[in-house]
Amino acid sequence: EDKVVQSPLSLVVHEGDTVTLNCSYEVTNFRSLLWYKQEKKAPTFLFMLTSSGIEKKSGRLSSILDKKELFSILNITATQTGDSAIYLCAGANSKLTFGKGITLSVRP
Amino acid sequence: DTEVTQTPKHLVMGMTNKKSLKCEQHMGHRAMYWYKQKAKKPPELMFVYSYEKLSINESVPSRFSPECPNSSLLNLHLHALQPEDSALYLCASSQGFRALTGVGQPQHFGDGTRLSIL
Repeated sequence: EDKVVQSPLSLVVHEGDTVTLNCSYEVTNFRSLLWYKQEKKAPTFLFMLTSSGIEKKSGRLSSILDKKELFSILNITATQTGDSAIYLCAGANSKLTFGKGITLSVRP
Repeated sequence: DTEVTQTPKHLVMGMTNKKSLKCEQHMGHRAMYWYKQKAKKPPELMFVYSYEKLSINESVPSRFSPECPNSSLLNLHLHALQPEDSALYLCASSQGFRALTGVGQPQHFGDGTRLSIL
């Protein structure tokens, strides 16, 4: 059975801190690893990673995949209160298998 | 607001009612998905449609009946639901979906329908 494990499950930081969110996966016929941010409603797509070692960046967010060690990290620098959300990672083969999510709280 | 539109946003229904959830996207995506999400849990896949044909049914009870009238629309027909079916129902779409080769495509989600079964 495919499995995606995220850690930590929750995190509280102060504005300006840098955070690293972890995702490990065991997904048969793995094709890609996706990160989503979920606030009150829809998960919002952040990154899709298919190749090891290539960092993807979007503003203060960046992510990288290690296909040998089967994990990915999502980094957020200079955190803001608007970054407070649940961060979901999902392994993709013919479908998405989601982890349980990491609840990030950024305090002013 | 997302590019995937779901209606209604909220729905309360009794166990004997029949209702439908609707999802629409105009991004030209050819794959559409239904997920169920319970509080503090990740989304769970229910159905996948690829080119308007049902590709995956994750052993969902028959009281949930999906329908894809055209490439932009996806419906989920509900009948005789149970209280444990109360959840957030999310629709998503992606550019394509290949069940055999398993190409991962980024899925874009709607805001969901929050369903409560009395």
